[in-house]
Amino acid sequence: DGGITQSPKYLFRKEGQNVTLSCEQNLNHDAMYWYRQDPGQGLRLIYYSQIVNDFQKGDIAEGYSVSREKKESFPLTVTSAQKNPTAFYLCASSISTAANQDEAFFGQGTRLTVV
Amino acid sequence: AQSVSQHNHHVILSEAASLELGCNYSYGGTVNLFWYVQYPGQHLQLLLKYFSGDPLVKGIKGFEAEFIKSKFSFNLRKPSVQWSDTAEYFCAVNALNSGGYQKVTFGTGTKLQVIP
Repeated sequence: DGGITQSPKYLFRKEGQNVTLSCEQNLNHDAMYWYRQDPGQGLRLIYYSQIVNDFQKGDIAEGYSVSREKKESFPLTVTSAQKNPTAFYLCASSISTAANQDEAFFGQGTRLTVV
Repeated sequence: AQSVSQHNHHVILSEAASLELGCNYSYGGTVNLFWYVQYPGQHLQLLLKYFSGDPLVKGIKGFEAEFIKSKFSFNLRKPSVQWSDTAEYFCAVNALNSGGYQKVTFGTGTKLQVIP
């Protein structure tokens, strides 16, 4: 089945540790996105990537880092610099064209809890 | 910078009532507009989308939305809601940023609760 896979579904980490969230897609999409979902704040864009080896900061990139070494993979690292890392993280992908007429497809999310 | 506003954070309706959820965006260029729905325990899925042409678009499950360019609005409507429509609804804008990258921005979401 084609889709976006985020793993793990639940993740617990101690404060001060870096943690990497996985996102893989087999939809052959060029563009990939990471969002953070908090109650009452909707989805806020962390990082996005339009092609391999290129990515852009979103609206709340501080304390996060990403890489895009392969088209199908866009891992997100939550660093110890992120002041409030406990949240629900969503990965998405879309076909990327200059016409920007493409819907995003979402993974099922990873709930990160930092204790 | 593009932004999306959803004014209703929590809406409670009885079954068969009509629904209208507001969505306004700010962006000066060409945009594509979307409504996504997140049912309890499920991942986000597309409800409907507007690219161009007829400003009234129809989506799944009887939902529709109207794009009013002069008002920068894309309100979601349904004539008669059902209990199964209980979910969180997100409006989104896809536009090219100054660097030529596609950027999808979401509103804060509206939680709809339908009472049987």
